[in-house]
Amino acid sequence: DVKVTQSSRYLVKRTGEKVFLECVQDMDHENMFWYRQDPGLGLRLIYFSYDVKMKEKGDIPEGYSVSREKKERFSLILESASTNQTSMYLCASSQRQTGSNIQYFGAGTRLSVL
Amino acid sequence: AQSVTQPDIHITVSEGASLELRCNYSYGATPYLFWYVQSPGQGLQLLLKYFSGDTLVQGIKGFEAEFKRSQSSFNLRKPSVHWSDAAEYFCAVQTGGFKTIFGAGTRLFVKA
Repeated sequence: DVKVTQSSRYLVKRTGEKVFLECVQDMDHENMFWYRQDPGLGLRLIYFSYDVKMKEKGDIPEGYSVSREKKERFSLILESASTNQTSMYLCASSQRQTGSNIQYFGAGTRLSVL
Repeated sequence: AQSVTQPDIHITVSEGASLELRCNYSYGATPYLFWYVQSPGQGLQLLLKYFSGDTLVQGIKGFEAEFKRSQSSFNLRKPSVHWSDAAEYFCAVQTGGFKTIFGAGTRLFVKA
C-alpha cells in the first residue's frame, strides 16, 4: 500500500514564526502536492512538484514556499506564519503519468497559528 | 475555467436508506472523474474513478457512480448506508496535466 506520512498531526505556532510541514511518501511517486483544506472551500492546491527540485505554484501559493531535495520528501514552508494560515494541510503523491493519476493522501496536519 | 460543484453541503440519511451525492463539473471535454472520502481526522481515500468506457463505475465499500455527459454530472450512490459511511465526500476532476480540482465537499450524517 502507498503510504504518505505527514510528520505532525497537530501544530501550534505563533504569528511570525517560520513553520515547516514535512511529507514523506514511500512509493517512488514523481508527483507530490500540498493542499490546504478549509470548511466549505474543499481542497485548494498550494504547490506541487513533478520531480526533484522542480516546483509549480498552485492556486494559493502566497505566503508559502516548498522544497523538494529528495524524491520521497516534500516540505511546505510558512516563512512567517499568520493567523489566516490556520488550517488543515494535506500532502498527496501520485505517479508521473498526467491526466489520470490517482492521488494518495497523508492524514493531514492541523496547524493553528496564534 | 474548470470547476466542480457539490450542491449539498451536508446530507443526513437513516441507516439502511439509499444515498445519492451530487456532483457537477464544468469542462469542455470529458475529464477524469473521482470520488474521495475523508473520515474524521484522516486524509482522503479514493472511492472510485472514471476514465473512459462504461459510465457506471463501481468502487470500494459498496459505492457506485454514474457519469452522465449530457448533464456534466458524476453522482455517487449507495443502496444501503451504514453508520460507518458517515464522513465527508469530495468529487474531483482532472482535465489533463497534474492538477486536480476538488469540490467543496458534502458531509454525510447517518442517523440510527
